[in-house]
Amino acid sequence: DARVTQTPRHKVTEMGQEVTMRCQPILGHNTVFWYRQTMMQGLELLAYFRNRAPLDDSGMPKDRFSAEMPDATLATLKIQPSEPRDSAVYFCASGPRQQETQYFGPGTRLLVL
Amino acid sequence: GQQLNQSPQSMFIQEGEDVSMNCTSSSIFNTWLWYKQDPGEGPVLLIALYKAGELTSNGRLTAQFGITRKDSFLNISASIPSDVGIYFCAGLRNTGGFKTIFGAGTRLFVKA
Repeated sequence: DARVTQTPRHKVTEMGQEVTMRCQPILGHNTVFWYRQTMMQGLELLAYFRNRAPLDDSGMPKDRFSAEMPDATLATLKIQPSEPRDSAVYFCASGPRQQETQYFGPGTRLLVL
Repeated sequence: GQQLNQSPQSMFIQEGEDVSMNCTSSSIFNTWLWYKQDPGEGPVLLIALYKAGELTSNGRLTAQFGITRKDSFLNISASIPSDVGIYFCAGLRNTGGFKTIFGAGTRLFVKA
């Protein structure tokens, strides 16, 4: 049963610290998405990769957020420096190119104090 | 901001009842997806729709891609307690990339 995995599942940090979230997409999937979920804003698309190349990161605050895919099995989302307003659940999703479907990981719950 | 209107925001129903929820937009989408999210988990894909007018079922769930490509609905028949959760619609536009927009979700409560 192939699944998207995310680490860590929970992260508590102090304002100003760097946060790195990792995602392992489903093997064979070549699209990767990063979402942020909050009560106020719901699910927001932050960034989207196809074949490891960033195609759309317009939803991501550029001054402090960065997303990369060092290889096909790893996607990272970094926040530096973190702020309390970044507290949210961050989801990674992957999908096969021939379908526009997206399969979500369990999420990283981030709390910035 | 969000461009999908998902309704209702919440539903309180009795076990065995049928449920209907929908998403509408002023924009056209190429694909509609329906997800369910349980507390503490990521959204799980229920149904994917790729063509206008398409009607697809998954067990007790049925979803349709509106003929105008601006809306979609999800029906759940004979609800059971484990149907409780948040249901999200998502519309995708293939404009060189997959611009994905999620609805705000419908919170379903089922009373046994």
